Amino acid sequence: AQKVTQAQTEISVVEKEDVTLDCVYETRDTTYYLFWYKQPPSGELVFLIRRNSFDEQNEISGRYSWNFQKSTSSFNFTITASQVVDSAVYFCALNQAGTALIFGKGTTLSVSS
Amino acid sequence: EAGVAQSPRYKIIEKRQSVAFWCNPISGHATLYWYQQILGQGPKLLIQFQNNGVVDDSQLPKDRFSAERLKGVDSTLKIQPAKLEDSAVYLCASSLRGLADNEQFFGPGTRLTVL
Repeated sequence: AQKVTQAQTEISVVEKEDVTLDCVYETRDTTYYLFWYKQPPSGELVFLIRRNSFDEQNEISGRYSWNFQKSTSSFNFTITASQVVDSAVYFCALNQAGTALIFGKGTTLSVSS
Repeated sequence: EAGVAQSPRYKIIEKRQSVAFWCNPISGHATLYWYQQILGQGPKLLIQFQNNGVVDDSQLPKDRFSAERLKGVDSTLKIQPAKLEDSAVYLCASSLRGLADNEQFFGPGTRLTVL
């Protein structure tokens, strides 16, 4: 069975703090894709990153970075020097051939000034 | 490039009433998805279309929910009759070919409240 677990329901930080959002996934397939989406208060899901199961290189995009570790089935997301605009719900998701996205329950990040 | 359009944005109905949601995907996208997002949870797939054919509707409560995608473009999701537990945000998404690595683009959603 495929499953995505985001154990952190809510995280609160102060601006400029670094924060890591955890994601653990379960799948029996060897080929799969992992995604992170951001859902701001407006409600629209915004794509952040896609990673395939054969590429374990970490990725950095500005203040965002992602750490993919197949050994622990984790795909964690770190925001460096957080800003108020980062406040949103963040979803980790899994996709395999022939299925639609399977989402975790999301982590609500609140950044205060 | 225009994004995924959905209407209405909000809908309030009484239980046992009917409601319909509309979605217009990104031009050229073959695959269209309807997700249900209950408060505090991640989106859950209801139905996936490839052009105008259904790929996956295994989680669609077919006794009350129906969806169609005539001509492989716009889609309509209907609930008849609605129950209290149908209160949720209904998200429409589209992707180019529906492959596992395709990015899915989401619309703003329709927030349904059933009283």
